[in-house]
Amino acid sequence: AQRVTQPEKLLSVFKGAPVELKCNYSYSGSPELFWYVQYSRQRLQLLLRHISRESIKGFTADLNKGETSFHLKKPFAQEEDSAMYYCALSKGTGANSKLTFGKGITLSVRP
Amino acid sequence: GAGVSQSPSNKVTEKGKDVELRCDPISGHTALYWYRQSLGQGLEFLIYFQGNSAPDKSGLPSDRFSAERTGGSVSTLTIQRTQQEDSAVYLCASSSRTGATGELFFGEGSRLTVL
Repeated sequence: AQRVTQPEKLLSVFKGAPVELKCNYSYSGSPELFWYVQYSRQRLQLLLRHISRESIKGFTADLNKGETSFHLKKPFAQEEDSAMYYCALSKGTGANSKLTFGKGITLSVRP
Repeated sequence: GAGVSQSPSNKVTEKGKDVELRCDPISGHTALYWYRQSLGQGLEFLIYFQGNSAPDKSGLPSDRFSAERTGGSVSTLTIQRTQQEDSAVYLCASSSRTGATGELFFGEGSRLTVL
């Protein structure tokens, strides 16, 4: 069965510091990986997906199949990045489209 | 409405009572998911509906949990004989069959507290 591991529960950094939120997965096939974010008092929402290879709000994430990782990175953290971040995996489309989430990590960016 | 709507937003109940949580997905979205969000446990998959296909119930934690989706739209999650460990935020999400894989749109959740 697929599994998503986020090894840390909390990351606290100062504004302007680099950020790396770790995510590892286990799945024998070719998964699709995502990062979802939940800001305070807001809904959980998609941040980015690996197939798009995009940078959203300065965040990027590269799928490393050799290390089965999908770490989320940002070179210079901003206070507004403070939120709960979840890594998620999908096996594909249709019946396989359900997302398996990690336990999440709280990012706190201090001024 | 424009987004996924859930009700009630908060529900406090006594142990042993039944509760119903409602989800109204985005119009036209064929896929509907229920997740449970609890502190330290992240997001736990409960059940998935896709069109007229049989639902994927593999995540329901016990037979006290059930869900229906009527007319391919509104869904109701029912928890019978609630226990204190059922206390959590229950999130509903929907997605479009034609949308990018994995792009789920979430509701604000129903916070359940079992006393």
